Amino acid sequence: QKEVEQNSGPLSVPEGAIASLNCTYSDRGSQSFFWYRQYSGKSPELIMSIYSNGDKEDGRFTAQLNKASQYVSLLIRDSQPSDSATYLCAVDVDSNYQLIWGAGTKLIIKP
Amino acid sequence: DAGVTQSPTHLIKTRGQQVTLRCSPKSGHDTVSWYQQALGQGPQFIFQYYEEEERQRGNFPDRFSGHQFPNYSSELNVNALLLGDSALYLCASSLSPGGTEAFFGQGTRLTVV
Repeated sequence: QKEVEQNSGPLSVPEGAIASLNCTYSDRGSQSFFWYRQYSGKSPELIMSIYSNGDKEDGRFTAQLNKASQYVSLLIRDSQPSDSATYLCAVDVDSNYQLIWGAGTKLIIKP
Repeated sequence: DAGVTQSPTHLIKTRGQQVTLRCSPKSGHDTVSWYQQALGQGPQFIFQYYEEEERQRGNFPDRFSGHQFPNYSSELNVNALLLGDSALYLCASSLSPGGTEAFFGQGTRLTVV
């Protein structure tokens, strides 16, 4: 059974601080990793993709991938109240875009 | 440039009925994937269509079927609705079946009563 695990939260972070979200996956052959943000009642929105070990930065967001340890993380710097949402980790296990999803981590940014 | 559009946005059906959900992919995209998302859960992959054929299928019963048209739009059909089919149904489009990011429509909220 291919699985993606996330802490359901909620994770509460003060405004302006760094929010750290983590995700582990079971299939060592996984190649593509994605972070989506989902506001309540809305559809997921892609915010980061990462394919190689290391860090990938895009504005206030940094994705980190460690294939040896089978985890991927998302850092949000200078957290804003508008970042409050559920963050979903998705893994493309077979490179055919059949994504396996975690259940999401609810992030709350406190003003 | 229109993104992924889904219709309808909300739907209420009675147990045992049939429902059809529709999706138009983002301009330039040729692959459509359908997901079911229950409340508080991550999306679950239903199936993927490319070149008018079902290319991949998740662990869903045959009551769930689909179609892709020559213009790349797609339909999801669910027969003999169960209460447990109540969920947010998401359509995602991508350029080719693999290796690219997918973009989601706004979803269809299906309630079965």
